[in-house]
Amino acid sequence: AQSVTQLGSHVSVSEGALVLLRCNYSSSVPPYLFWYVQYPNQGLQLLLKYTTGATLVKGINGFEAEFKKSETSFHLTKPSAHMSDAAEYFCAVRGGLAGGSYIPTFGRGTSLIVHP
Amino acid sequence: DGGITQSPKYLFRKEGQNVTLSCEQNLNHDAMYWYRQDPGQGLRLIYYSQIVNDFQKGDIAEGYSVSREKKESFPLTVTSAQKNPTAFYLCASTVDRGGNEQFFGPGTRLTVL
Repeated sequence: AQSVTQLGSHVSVSEGALVLLRCNYSSSVPPYLFWYVQYPNQGLQLLLKYTTGATLVKGINGFEAEFKKSETSFHLTKPSAHMSDAAEYFCAVRGGLAGGSYIPTFGRGTSLIVHP
Repeated sequence: DGGITQSPKYLFRKEGQNVTLSCEQNLNHDAMYWYRQDPGQGLRLIYYSQIVNDFQKGDIAEGYSVSREKKESFPLTVTSAQKNPTAFYLCASTVDRGGNEQFFGPGTRLTVL
């Protein structure tokens, strides 16, 4: 079975500080991993993804994540937080096969709060 | 521009009424999904469809129904059997069933009065 654990429902940082949002997963199939961002009252937008190949993945808005198989982790980082980064962030893993399809599994989300 | 549209953005319903949420995509994607989002609970899968005229129940299908008569459209009906329908509803699509990234619509916020 697939699962995603996001450590911390809320993360608070100062503007200009490092952003680190944690994601651990379990998967019975080779994982595809995703980070999405959601601004208030909007849909989710893909930040970055890992499928195969390079384990350090760069995404939009200066975010990046590293796939660490041995640690079953896919933590999201950004060197310097901006006020505009305040949002909800979701980690997701390609799910198991159901009816011939891979259904994704989402974490519960982490709310990033950025202080001036 | 290609994308997913959901309408309406806000919807109010009286108890005991059925209501239908619209989801349309022009991405030519095969698969479409409906999620329910409640504060602190992440996304919960209601229904998904991989091809036209076929759909599967997700984790919380009770009180909901869907149809997939056209590739572009995947409407969700919230029936009176859904005991707590007030929530934010998100529609999504993927290019195929291979587990690639999902594209999301802007969501519909349903409030039961």
